[in-house]
Amino acid sequence: EVQLVESGGGVVQPGGSLRLSCAASGFTFSSYWMSWIRQSPERGLEWVANINQDGSAKKYVDSLKGRFTISRDNAKNSLYLQMNSLRAEDTAVYYCAIGLTTTFAFDIWGQGTMVTVSS
Amino acid sequence: DIQLTQSPSFLSASVGDRVTITCRASQGISSYLAWYQQTPGKAPNLLIYVASTLQSGVPSRFSGSGSGTEFTLTINSLQPEDFTTYYCQQLSSDPYTFGQGTKLEIK
Repeated sequence: EVQLVESGGGVVQPGGSLRLSCAASGFTFSSYWMSWIRQSPERGLEWVANINQDGSAKKYVDSLKGRFTISRDNAKNSLYLQMNSLRAEDTAVYYCAIGLTTTFAFDIWGQGTMVTVSS
Repeated sequence: DIQLTQSPSFLSASVGDRVTITCRASQGISSYLAWYQQTPGKAPNLLIYVASTLQSGVPSRFSGSGSGTEFTLTINSLQPEDFTTYYCQQLSSDPYTFGQGTKLEIK
């Protein structure tokens, strides 16, 4: 069964850091671009970043460049999101997602992990 | 960034009705548009990609059309499980933006 399982969310103070993980199974992880997408009531659904198969190419939404870093470990079938200098507006559910059967949509999503930035 | 505007934001309908949701892009995106359904507490679920291709396993009462800047999602013969929220997303260029959502409610 194809599965993505996020972890690492929690409550963090403004200015703090958090590292999210996404464990993949049921498919050849190293063959696919991977993405992080977040969702909050205030900002809706927002694509955050993606990374290519070997980690050599990364793209970010402009508003997050310099604070968030996407990475992957193909040996561990894992995707990561390092989040620094967190702000209240980063509070959201964070999903990892892939386009497994198509490159033009996200057909597999994890269950999401909640990040709350609050003092 | 490409902006997507969905209309309406809220839609009331009855079981058995046919409804249409529109998604307009701020610039042309060819056919690189996807539609998702999301129930509370769950991740979005892909319904349609490249504007009109039905994802495997999705009921045939869902259909999509459009290209360029205007797209529609049509749901025929609404079923009780269809009353939830729908989003469009463009994958023409990053950042891969989403519409603000359309909440479909039972009349």
